[in-house]
Amino acid sequence: GESVGLHLPTLSVQEGDNSIINCAYSNSASDYFIWYKQESGKGPQFIIDIRSNMDKRQGQRVTVLLNKTVKHLSLQIAATQPGDSAVYFCADQEGGSQGNLIFGKGTKLSVKP
Amino acid sequence: DTGVSQNPRHKITKRGQNVTFRCDPISEHNRLYWYRQTLGQGPEFLTYFQNEAQLEKSRLLSDRFSAERPKGSFSTLEIQRTEQGDSAMYLCASSRFGGRTDTQYFGPGTRLTVL
Repeated sequence: GESVGLHLPTLSVQEGDNSIINCAYSNSASDYFIWYKQESGKGPQFIIDIRSNMDKRQGQRVTVLLNKTVKHLSLQIAATQPGDSAVYFCADQEGGSQGNLIFGKGTKLSVKP
Repeated sequence: DTGVSQNPRHKITKRGQNVTFRCDPISEHNRLYWYRQTLGQGPEFLTYFQNEAQLEKSRLLSDRFSAERPKGSFSTLEIQRTEQGDSAMYLCASSRFGGRTDTQYFGPGTRLTVL
């Protein structure tokens, strides 16, 4: 079956530094990936997505990189701010038209002022 | 802001009671998903609707769980005869299937505590 996992459960960075959160997936047929940010007590908030026909996509202060060869996904946050402190999940959309997401356990990002 | 809304935000109940949660999706979204999230884990898919049709329900955790979306707008998730193991955050998400992307947007969740 499909599985989406993260390499590190926690990440601590200094304010202003860049953050990189990694994710591995196992299903080579996966074609759509999404990063969500979840703050304590809130629902997941969409950050950025990428389809398998791309290897890089940029948003505001965030970049997602996709390496299909090694089935690896990363989220880069530039100039990390205290407000970026949260748990970050990568999710893989299950194959077919169903569309439900398969989430990993998440990485907790802590930003030190 | 017309994002996904969920009610109630918190529910405390005694074991054996029935509970019902409501989700109001983003108005133009035709798909609605329910997920469950336990502490320290990512959300786990339960079921989804396209308009009023429930297209997948095999992932519902037991026959005590049921969901409806009678008019293709809001949805309810009911848990009968609650157990302590049902304590979790229940998340709803909606999307517009058939558009350029099928991005799912989540609501704030309903946190259930079963005593």
